[in-house]
Amino acid sequence: QKEVEQDPGPLSVPEGAIVSLNCTYSNSAFQYFMWYRQYSRKGPELLMYTYSSGNKEDGRFTAQVDKSSKYISLFIRDSQPSDSATYLCAGRGNTDKLIFGTGTRLQVFP
Amino acid sequence: GAGVSQSPRYKVAKRGQDVALRCDPISGHVSLFWYQQALGQGPEFLTYFQNEAQLDKSGLPSDRFFAERPEGSVSTLKIQRTQQEDSAVYLCASSLSAPTNNEQYFGPGTRLTVT
Repeated sequence: QKEVEQDPGPLSVPEGAIVSLNCTYSNSAFQYFMWYRQYSRKGPELLMYTYSSGNKEDGRFTAQVDKSSKYISLFIRDSQPSDSATYLCAGRGNTDKLIFGTGTRLQVFP
Repeated sequence: GAGVSQSPRYKVAKRGQDVALRCDPISGHVSLFWYQQALGQGPEFLTYFQNEAQLDKSGLPSDRFFAERPEGSVSTLKIQRTQQEDSAVYLCASSLSAPTNNEQYFGPGTRLTVT
């Protein structure tokens, strides 16, 4: 079993929709949780990270962590075609390395 | 400012050849990471440097993989006697310092194809 599980998608939504992207994890040592966006043939781009449980908002993006259920979410409001990309969640515990999920491919159509 | 750069962007190697992949981190970044990303998968950790010290190499898949960062800036990932299963995108990331290792900034990657 992978330490971070993520549905690969693709997830296809119309422009303007609210998108919900989710991950589960198994490593209880994870304290930090990250969301990266990766466009085709590019490197991952950090969107935001959170510490422990709770919510964090940045513009149209909201990250949510529920450590009790080991569940991580990213919400995108007013989705745009330019949001079409693969979204990677990651966790970090007591070491410096990030453990990534497989990524969810999102397609936002006009 | 300039981000993380990697070269070459694409590399084709015949099975058994040695390859060297280069990473130029963001200027002043102390921490440097290498990840391997197979097609349709998330990045997987290979190794981590803090300045010139290699603090974690637990992700290197075999002794054919070797990484160095001799002066604490540019890093090279070397793969000896390449095999087909080494085909992947190799990503380099840097962060300002150990306390900020949650903010890892990635380069565009080197796509290695072993034929």
